[in-house]
Amino acid sequence: DAMVIQNPRYQVTQFGKPVTLSCSQTLNHNVMYWYQQKSSQAPKLLFHYYDKDFNNEADTPDNFQSRRPNTSFCFLDIRSPGLGDAAMYLCATSTRRGEGYTFGSGTRLTVV
Amino acid sequence: GQQVMQIPQYQHVQEGEDFTTYCNSSTTLSNIQWYKQRPGGHPVFLIQLVKSGEVKKQKRLTFQFGEAKKNSSLHITATQTTDVGTYFCAGSGTYKYIFGTGTRLKVLA
Repeated sequence: DAMVIQNPRYQVTQFGKPVTLSCSQTLNHNVMYWYQQKSSQAPKLLFHYYDKDFNNEADTPDNFQSRRPNTSFCFLDIRSPGLGDAAMYLCATSTRRGEGYTFGSGTRLTVV
Repeated sequence: GQQVMQIPQYQHVQEGEDFTTYCNSSTTLSNIQWYKQRPGGHPVFLIQLVKSGEVKKQKRLTFQFGEAKKNSSLHITATQTTDVGTYFCAGSGTYKYIFGTGTRLKVLA
């Protein structure tokens, strides 16, 4: 089945130690998104790729970076995780036409 | 910037009762989507509304888009325990969606 896969499902990292979360998709969707969702809150858009074009949200901290080496893969890099970065990170995809997002299962990040 | 608010924040209903969540945007939307997120899960796409005044139904769920395209509602008839979760609206100007604050529904058996 075509899907969006996020690895790992759970990630524990040390305060200040760089961490990378990965997302892959078999849907061949042009747009890929990274959302941060903290407990009992709405998903918050960090950035998205429209094909190869990177679009950063104005309030996304510089600590967060992203890479999309090809259509299928997208990575979220957190250069120096702080305790406030503990959250669920959701990857989503959509077509050019702005159809409904398909979300991955998410990666729950814990910072110790 | 664009803000999307939902009310109520929480709703507890007895199984069999109806439930409605309302979504309000600070700006006019080109379209709106609704998602359901089960506890511990990820958001799952339910539906997209595009036209002013549009009404769509999915079994017990009825979705409505306001005439001014600034508000929307989701109504569930005769709730079941499987309806438990958080319902998010997400409003868009283009292909980027801003999620509403969500309504957490709890259904008491």
